Amino acid sequence: GDSVTQMEGPVTLSEEAFLTINCTYTATGYPSLFWYVQYPGEGLQLLLKATKADDKGSNKGFEATYRKETTSFHLEKGSVQVSDSAVYFCALSGTSGTYKYIFGTGTRLKVLA
Amino acid sequence: DAMVIQNPRYQVTQFGKPVTLSCSQTLNHNVMYWYQQKSSQAPKLLFHYYDKDFNNEADTPDNFQSRRPNTSFCFLDIRSPGLGDAAMYLCATSRDMKWNEQFFGPGTRLTVL
Repeated sequence: GDSVTQMEGPVTLSEEAFLTINCTYTATGYPSLFWYVQYPGEGLQLLLKATKADDKGSNKGFEATYRKETTSFHLEKGSVQVSDSAVYFCALSGTSGTYKYIFGTGTRLKVLA
Repeated sequence: DAMVIQNPRYQVTQFGKPVTLSCSQTLNHNVMYWYQQKSSQAPKLLFHYYDKDFNNEADTPDNFQSRRPNTSFCFLDIRSPGLGDAAMYLCATSRDMKWNEQFFGPGTRLTVL
């Protein structure tokens, strides 16, 4: 079945470091791909999305490119801040005629001052 | 601002005592979802409504029920909460069923004593 695999956390970085959180997927058809961020005690907020191959989603300095050839949607940010500390979820939707989300397990990011 | 609202943010109940969680939306979206999220895990879809049509996930326990009296409101009823039902409950909406992004509320943290 369809699935999303994220790198395990926690990822611990110093402020201003470069961030990569890997996300790969297995899916039939052509899913839409999403990154959500969850701050402690809060719900999920959409960070960025891409709906077709080679699309690049970007928001708040974060970027991710939909790579069909490698079935990947890695999240990157050039310079992280302490305020970026959160859990990041990769998700896909829209395969096999379904709208339901398939989430990865989440990656916790800790940014140290 | 259009949004998804969940009340209460924190709910404490006793083992076996029925509890209802509330979700409302000002987005006028057709689809409303309920997720259960346990600590350090991805959200797990319990069920959703597309307009008035209720769709239960196959592995959702019978102890969990839902009502959607109108477009704006959706309720999650837990008939006899057990200790294992302690979790964050997330409500989400989407405009329709076809590959649209989901908008999440802030969640209700349920504690079962």
